[in-house]
Amino acid sequence: QSVLTQAPSASGTPGQRVTISCSGSSSNIGNNKVHWYQQLPGTAPKLLIYSNNRRPSGVPDRFSGSKSGTSASLAISGLQSEDEADYYCAAWDDSLSGVVFGGGTKLTVL
Amino acid sequence: QVQLVQSGAEVKKPGASVKVSCKASGYTFNAYYIHWVRQAPGQGLEWMGWINPNSGDTNYAQKFQGRVTVTRDTSINTDYLELSRLTSDDTAVYYCAREQTDYYFDYWGQGALVTVSS
Repeated sequence: QSVLTQAPSASGTPGQRVTISCSGSSSNIGNNKVHWYQQLPGTAPKLLIYSNNRRPSGVPDRFSGSKSGTSASLAISGLQSEDEADYYCAAWDDSLSGVVFGGGTKLTVL
Repeated sequence: QVQLVQSGAEVKKPGASVKVSCKASGYTFNAYYIHWVRQAPGQGLEWMGWINPNSGDTNYAQKFQGRVTVTRDTSINTDYLELSRLTSDDTAVYYCAREQTDYYFDYWGQGALVTVSS
């Protein structure tokens, strides 16, 4: 059981906009920044969004993040087949004194 | 360029210990914390702990306390994760990752598969 809650799956067709949500509590998302990772099959996770809504160099602007209260969202616009991957949210948790992850959302491009 | 290169796959028997290494290059080793994250087959990511390469201070997830030790050798820019009293539930890919501010990981190792089987 993950501390942050994500839907296990999401899907969309090419060109569509998809949103993946992440729900937490006051000890993690509510009081700390949220980060998102993309994991392609058989590879290590890759930083996609950091500090709620910032994109590392090289990440397309089709990817965006937002946070409100104890929830966060990752939006992917102009969906492409190569976006098919697992997506994880993460944040520091003040109560646990550690990093907590969501259970991951498997995105399928139909 | 920044790289974290991990040691290879391991097969261990229940009750044994395993030690995974993570060699850093392309940046000042002492300037960034290294975290360890594991992923069981078909499962999500699980944070295990971190080490301050400068001081050697560590912080572990409560789940692993007493069973995990993270160390570093600054002479060769390498961090180590040692996990003892292995069970089949410890079968996973173990990743090291470099922390930036606000506890996000900008670079990850390629992962090391640890299989625990009798």
